Amino acid sequence: DTEVTQTPKHLVMGMTNKKSLKCEQHMGHRAMYWYKQKAKKPPELMFVYSYEKLSINESVPSRFSPECPNSSLLNLHLHALQPEDSALYLCASSQESRDTEAFFGQGTRLTVV
Amino acid sequence: SQQGEEDPQALSIQEGENATMNCSYKTSINNLQWYRQNSGRGLVHLILIRSNEREKHSGRLRVTLDTSKKSSSLLITASRAADTASYFCATEDFGNEKLTFGTGTRLTIIP
Repeated sequence: DTEVTQTPKHLVMGMTNKKSLKCEQHMGHRAMYWYKQKAKKPPELMFVYSYEKLSINESVPSRFSPECPNSSLLNLHLHALQPEDSALYLCASSQESRDTEAFFGQGTRLTVV
Repeated sequence: SQQGEEDPQALSIQEGENATMNCSYKTSINNLQWYRQNSGRGLVHLILIRSNEREKHSGRLRVTLDTSKKSSSLLITASRAADTASYFCATEDFGNEKLTFGTGTRLTIIP
């Protein structure tokens, strides 16, 4: 199984809502990532988890809250988002956090209204 | 920021022709990777080339790395319509876990 599965594929939420994005991999990878991608732009790193511990937070606003319940799962909790947070949110995993290829999920397309 | 600059931003070629994309970056790296993205969905890893390597091949793909010029190129030979996608280089900084993506090249193969 070489897949990273993200749910939901699409999400529309209001600015007062609380929602969560989910990501799952069963490749035994020890590093997992959240990226944000706006239209016609490259992915931008948000968070890195290595061995289930948060190792990098790229100064992401606190309305985005990551969680790694176990080595296979990664969540991104969303609260009080702004319309400018609308984007494609990509999850990725890799064998280790350095010097290995990353496997990406298909992303969650988030629209904040 | 280490974000790479890719050149050209967009490229259209006839099917069967070769496509070359270039990537430049700013600081020392552990490795440089190339990814493909179709229609704004997930990225697919193509090739990883380490800082001590100069060239790598994978099928119709050839990647070169020149660390003295801080640049890399991706060559796709005998292009096919299915190669239409956005291509990104990504650098892993030396001593860092971060993978930083370049600006991307949008490749269109005309049948």
